[in-house]
Amino acid sequence: EPEVTQTPSHQVTQMGQEVILRCVPISNHLYFYWYRQILGQKVEFLVSFYNNEISEKSEIFDDQFSVERPDGSNFTLKIRSTKLEDSAMYFCASNPQSGGMNEKLFFGSGTQLSVL
Amino acid sequence: AQSVAQPEDQVKVAEGNPLTVKCTYSVSGNPYLFWYVQYPNRGLQFLLKYITGDNLVKGSYGFEAEFNKSQTSFHLKKPSALVSDSALYFCAVRDSSNTGKLIFGQGTTLQVKP
Repeated sequence: EPEVTQTPSHQVTQMGQEVILRCVPISNHLYFYWYRQILGQKVEFLVSFYNNEISEKSEIFDDQFSVERPDGSNFTLKIRSTKLEDSAMYFCASNPQSGGMNEKLFFGSGTQLSVL
Repeated sequence: AQSVAQPEDQVKVAEGNPLTVKCTYSVSGNPYLFWYVQYPNRGLQFLLKYITGDNLVKGSYGFEAEFNKSQTSFHLKKPSALVSDSALYFCAVRDSSNTGKLIFGQGTTLQVKP
């Protein structure tokens, strides 16, 4: 089965630094997402992206966050100035149809971000 | 707003026994429900979904789930648990927006003892 790939698997950074988390969604998929999971908590929606623009974002996704699909294959999440509370596992996901209600999301294996 | 609840943080069963992981939902409109599993240090893997039709949905690894509209539940079940089923299980509902995003429950840790 095709896979969503994420790099790096682990990222350690200092508070206040910028980080970029990278994802390669499945090639024919149209919708892309970022989720995060703080240790011991539920998986939370951050943002969805379709047709080269954000289609929806949560209240977590403030001005420190941005997403980009720079080259038609990669899908990145940038955190401009990291805070301690940004430490979490970040998952990328993609959906084969344009928000198709009966389609599952395909998730990557995640990037564990640790902010020191 | 769409939401799901998983009332149990942890479920423990003995290998070979049946298992149930509970999920209840709250939606406006038709529910589109999913179960995902997360093994340690891994991403979320799709198990099964309910969109319409038969209330008993069969999925991967021998899991099934029963959709119950009157009880607004979508419990995950397996007739005979394996030690390798030990993992974190998430129930999810498709959001009513047209972005296709999923809303996840809190997760239930399943521990299957030999």
